Amino acid sequence: AQSVTQLGSHVSVSEGALVLLRCNYSSSVPPYLFWYVQYPNQGLQLLLKYTSAATLVKGINGFEAEFKKSETSFHLTKPSAHMSDAAEYFCAVSERGYSTLTFGKGTMLLVSP
Amino acid sequence: NAGVTQTPKFQVLKTGQSMTLQCAQDMNHEYMSWYRQDPGMGLRLIHYSVGAGITDQGEVPNGYNVSRSTTEDFPLRLLSAAPSQTSVYFCASSYPSGRADNEQFFGPGTRLTVL
Repeated sequence: AQSVTQLGSHVSVSEGALVLLRCNYSSSVPPYLFWYVQYPNQGLQLLLKYTSAATLVKGINGFEAEFKKSETSFHLTKPSAHMSDAAEYFCAVSERGYSTLTFGKGTMLLVSP
Repeated sequence: NAGVTQTPKFQVLKTGQSMTLQCAQDMNHEYMSWYRQDPGMGLRLIHYSVGAGITDQGEVPNGYNVSRSTTEDFPLRLLSAAPSQTSVYFCASSYPSGRADNEQFFGPGTRLTVL
């Protein structure tokens, strides 16, 4: 069975600092990978997705993620944090052949002035 | 297109009551799913459907029933609500795997409290 591990339930950064949110997955074959963001009391918004076209994936709001098969990782980064980036971030995996997602437990990003 | 819609947005139930959470999509997606979100647990799959008349269990199916009589609708039924079912429920739809990249389209969620 596939699984997703997000390291750190909370990550704190200063405004302007690098954002790094970690995601590792387990899957028998290279899966589809997704990052979602959830702002307080709102639904899920897709940030970016990996579908094997390119290992470095660019998403919305300046976020990007790199698929590393050897490390089974799909870490999310942003060069410079904004206050508006404060939210909860979820990594999710979907095996090819299945149209459901397995989610990580989420990482809350806190941005301080 | 309205996308994926869910009703109600909020609901408070007493233990033992029953209710149905509604989900509809107008994108002609074959796949539909229900997830629940609990603090520190991420989202977990309750039930899913790969087409009208076909449903299957996910990771946490106990206490919930589903049916899929049309492509558009996928209601989730709580037969006898329990406090452990207090959660935020998300419905999602997608194309079948192989036609697309498994991207799920999520509804806005239903916040359910069971007293």
